[in-house]
Amino acid sequence: QKEVEQNSGPLSVPEGAIASLNCTYSDRGSQSFFWYRQYSGKSPELIMFIYSNGDKEDGRFTAQLNKASQYVSLLIRDSQPSDSATYLCALTGGGNKLTFGTGTQLKVEL
Amino acid sequence: KAGVTQTPRYLIKTRGQQVTLSCSPISGHRSVSWYQQTPGQGLQFLFEYFSETQRNKGNFPGRFSGRQFSNSRSEMNVSTLELGDSALYLCASSFSVLAGGSPGANVLTFGAGSRLTVL
Repeated sequence: QKEVEQNSGPLSVPEGAIASLNCTYSDRGSQSFFWYRQYSGKSPELIMFIYSNGDKEDGRFTAQLNKASQYVSLLIRDSQPSDSATYLCALTGGGNKLTFGTGTQLKVEL
Repeated sequence: KAGVTQTPRYLIKTRGQQVTLSCSPISGHRSVSWYQQTPGQGLQFLFEYFSETQRNKGNFPGRFSGRQFSNSRSEMNVSTLELGDSALYLCASSFSVLAGGSPGANVLTFGAGSRLTVL
C-alpha cells in the first residue's frame, strides 16, 4: 500500500461546479497535510495546509482533514478552467520531508 | 522578493557522467529540500539541509549527494548517471524546520526545477 493514495483521474467537472479531490494516507503519525497544485510543465505551488481535524477555508478552496479515518480532501468551489491542473496531496510527520501522492488531474470544462 | 532559483533549467548528459545542480533559496530561508519527479514515481524526497547540515535523506543510492553552504545555497550531485535518473529535480526552501504542529514555518516553496535528460 502506498503511503499517500490519490485517484489519478482525470476528474472532469463543468465550470462553476464543485470539484472534490480526495487523499488517504497510511501513517497515523502524520501531522501536517498540504495541497499543492501543479500546472503542466511547472513546479508545484502551495494551495493550503491543514493540521487540525475539521475544515479550513481559503477563498474558493476548503481543505478537510479527518485523522481518525486518515483522509484529507480539497474542495474547489465555482471551478474555473484555470483550475485545470494536477493536485498533489502531501504530508509530513514533522520536519520538511514531505511524502507526496501521485496527484489527481483535474479538468474543468467550459 | 525573489523566489527559489534553480540552475541550470535544462541539461542533457550521457550515461556515466556526473551532474551538479544548484539551488538558491528565498532570502531568509535556511532550509533547502530536494525532490525528484518522474512520471512513474511522482515526487520523491531526496534530502533536506538546514544550516549546512543534512537533516534527512530519502531512499536513493549513494550516487545522489548534496550539500548546503553558509549562505543557504545548496547543490546536489548525481554521479555515474543512469538512464533512470532522467527526471525533473525540484528544490524547495522554507523558513525553518519545526517538528509537529506548527506547519506554517515549514511550508515549502518550490523552484522551477532542473530537467535532466540522460542519454
